[in-house]
Amino acid sequence: GIQVEQSPPDLILQEGANSTLRCNFSDSVNNLQWFHQNPWGQLINLFYIPSGTKQNGRLSATTVATERYSLLYISSSQTTDSGVYFCAVELTDSWGKLQFGAGTQVVVTP
Amino acid sequence: EPEVTQTPSHQVTQMGQEVILRCVPISNHLYFYWYRQILGQKVEFLVSFYNNEISEKSEIFDDQFSVERPDGSNFTLKIRSTKLEDSAMYFCASSEVRAGGVGAFFGQGTRLTVV
Repeated sequence: GIQVEQSPPDLILQEGANSTLRCNFSDSVNNLQWFHQNPWGQLINLFYIPSGTKQNGRLSATTVATERYSLLYISSSQTTDSGVYFCAVELTDSWGKLQFGAGTQVVVTP
Repeated sequence: EPEVTQTPSHQVTQMGQEVILRCVPISNHLYFYWYRQILGQKVEFLVSFYNNEISEKSEIFDDQFSVERPDGSNFTLKIRSTKLEDSAMYFCASSEVRAGGVGAFFGQGTRLTVV
């Protein structure tokens, strides 16, 4: 099956710092989404980004589908950005099944 | 903003008991899903559902699991005889289209603890 690898596995940031999270995937995909899992366990939909670049406030994401990777940028990080960031992809022949990566645990310290 | 809602938020059940987890997907969505996340692990796909039937299911989704859309708004996951290893966070999700659009939206999860 498709491999979804996220790096780094853990990230500690000081408030105000910028960071880049990476997601590599091993096959062609219909769909790629980034999620933030907050400390209460909720999965928040950040971006639907099978290709191209999107921005939402301090967050932005870029997917280069031909090279099978996606990047999530966090700028001017805040303590509320803490949590686990998941990348998830949907294969072209699947019925909406998202395959999740193992996530990047982000801790933003004051 | 429309959202997927799940009930209950927490459920504790004894091993061997049946549980039903409930979800109300976003109203104009046609595709529905269940995922689970064992504590500290990645989110795993269980099943997708479209047009009142299962579209795809994972190896985890064995005969102990079933899904139903009993009316126009609810989508349920039943675990017939719970095991300790069923303890996990269960997420319901829905999407407007199978691929494309704006992707799948997840509910807040039901934390199931089997004792």
